[in-house]
Amino acid sequence: EAEVAQSPRYKITEKSQAVAFWCDPISGHATLYWYRQILGQGPELLVQFQDESVVDDSQLPKDRFSAERLKGVDSTLKIQPAELGDSAMYLCASSSRAGGYNEQFFGPGTRLTVL
Amino acid sequence: GNSVTQMEGPVTLSEEAFLTINCTYTATGYPSLFWYVQYPGEGLQLLLKATKADDKGSNKGFEATYRKETTSFHLEKGSVQVSDSAVYFCALSEAGNQFYFGTGTSLTVIP
Repeated sequence: EAEVAQSPRYKITEKSQAVAFWCDPISGHATLYWYRQILGQGPELLVQFQDESVVDDSQLPKDRFSAERLKGVDSTLKIQPAELGDSAMYLCASSSRAGGYNEQFFGPGTRLTVL
Repeated sequence: GNSVTQMEGPVTLSEEAFLTINCTYTATGYPSLFWYVQYPGEGLQLLLKATKADDKGSNKGFEATYRKETTSFHLEKGSVQVSDSAVYFCALSEAGNQFYFGTGTSLTVIP
């Protein structure tokens, strides 16, 4: 069964360091999403890609966060420098196309701890 | 704007008890509604969905009916099992737009 892959599963870093997370969506899925899930809360969208283009990054803290999907397949989310408040689960999801009628398939997430 | 409000947990039930998790929404248009489930250490999985008013989504014994008049999408199951212990998220999306998730309701089922 096709799955969304994410790595690493866990990351511990010190504040002011740089971190990067990787996501490989289900093959053929044009839409890719990065979410941040703070403990005890629901996921919040950080950025949405349609193929290689960003279609929504309104909630992405652009002073420290960046995301790319250069070939329209896998994607990288970077934080530089990391802050204590960035500790959270970072979830990647993909869907065959954008829109509420299409299921989003989620990866297992990367749990980030910033010390 | 769009938002989802979920019943706060945690919820603890005995095996075979009836489950209801309340979810209400606010939307500017006509959203699709979803329930996702998250097991410990895993990502979210779609449990069920409904795309228009009066639709009933169902899966694995869980059901939810899209009620436009009460802007609700309550999750129900007639007889819960220990394996249903997880966090449940209600979500909405309007076509072409982002998903909005509730804060999640943690369910623990005890034998």
